[in-house]
Amino acid sequence: GAGVSQSPSNKVTEKGKDVELRCDPISGHTALYWYRQSLGQGLEFLIYFQGNSAPDKSGLPSDRFSAERTGGSVSTLTIQRTQQEDSAVYLCASSQTRSEQYFGPGTRLTVT
Amino acid sequence: EDQVTQSPEALRLQEGESSSLNCSYTVSGLRGLFWYRQDPGKGPEFLFTLYSAGEEKEKERLKATLTKKESFLHITAPKPEDSATYLCAVQHAGGTSYGKLTFGQGTILTVHP
Repeated sequence: GAGVSQSPSNKVTEKGKDVELRCDPISGHTALYWYRQSLGQGLEFLIYFQGNSAPDKSGLPSDRFSAERTGGSVSTLTIQRTQQEDSAVYLCASSQTRSEQYFGPGTRLTVT
Repeated sequence: EDQVTQSPEALRLQEGESSSLNCSYTVSGLRGLFWYRQDPGKGPEFLFTLYSAGEEKEKERLKATLTKKESFLHITAPKPEDSATYLCAVQHAGGTSYGKLTFGQGTILTVHP
């Protein structure tokens, strides 16, 4: 079956602009996670969705970051007023509740 | 706070030369330990989940084992296509963790023909 998909695959933006990153999870997966992977930091948790609710937002680095999920499916991660330190690969994963997570290919964000 | 440390940071092997990767963890209540493989420019690919000390799982040339403090990923007679970064992650058993994974920094494995 289809895996997790993310778009765009690459995004180059100017400092101060807003960006939206999209994740389409595996059909039927109720849990959705966003992670960030940057050099020297490894993979860091950002936010977790169960259905359309986000009970754990503890990893969001600042109030410039927000995310939503609609219809228990697609999720969008929004970064406002991007900064150079936001440059990273943003990964989305989905799972059946707390079982193994399946990752998408990621969106590489470069802030110039 | 959950912590995961992987060693070595990088490992270079000759084809056929077996070895092990280590993942040491500190977590107040382990629900599961996960191994992933990541190729350059791609997302992590799920390999194994281990839930309790003494558990072992195998897949082709890979075998993962778990103790109360660490996990090993044994690679038997590796091939060049096994070259990748191997990531270890823990999942907390606590009710407020909601299943998020805490990852180690990874081991970069290179297998030379």
